[in-house]
Amino acid sequence: QEQLVESGGGLVKPGGSLRLSCAVSGFTFSNFYMSWIRQTPGKGLEWISYVSSSGSPVFYADSVKGRFTISRDNAKNSVYLQMDNLSPDDTAIYYCARDRGDVIFDLWGQGTLVTVSS
Amino acid sequence: EIVLTQSPGTLSLSPGERVTLSCRASQSVPSSSLAWYQQTPGQAPRLLMFGAAIRATGIPDRFSGSGSGTDFTLSISRLEPEDFAVYYCQQYGSSPITFGQGTRLEVK
Repeated sequence: QEQLVESGGGLVKPGGSLRLSCAVSGFTFSNFYMSWIRQTPGKGLEWISYVSSSGSPVFYADSVKGRFTISRDNAKNSVYLQMDNLSPDDTAIYYCARDRGDVIFDLWGQGTLVTVSS
Repeated sequence: EIVLTQSPGTLSLSPGERVTLSCRASQSVPSSSLAWYQQTPGQAPRLLMFGAAIRATGIPDRFSGSGSGTDFTLSISRLEPEDFAVYYCQQYGSSPITFGQGTRLEVK
């Protein structure tokens, strides 16, 4: 069945880096835009980045622009989020999500927890 | 940025009741580009509606959406036990994409 599985979360110190991965199965990955969305108890759901089906263009929320990099490998059916210069405000559950078109998210992974703390 | 305000924050209801959730936008949402998601504890959000009133694949017809401009609603005609969850609206008509803060439906 259609599935997204995130990995790579964990505990990191402020200023550190993490790379999240999202493995896709059950559908033709190369046909879809993909996004990363994060969720915190305080700020709720926040869209942070998307990548087109081919890998370019990409877009970022202002809160992560210049620090996070989204990419994809259609041969590996995977999308990635490189997160640099992390701050405690980046602590969240990070979801990858499939964009059915027009930035509507019709399939989500189970999420991976990122905790930024000293 | 379009700010979405959902009300009420929490609703306590019983199975079988009808409910209407509200999502109000700080400015008009272009082309009724509004979606609704349901999230149960420990799970990822699930797409319910898009285009304000179009049910996503597999969503039962007890769910309905309506609205345009700045005022949108999600209605559930007869609450089933599995409907007790948190509901979020999202606008995708204007950059940046934004979500509401959610309405929690709890069992009375």
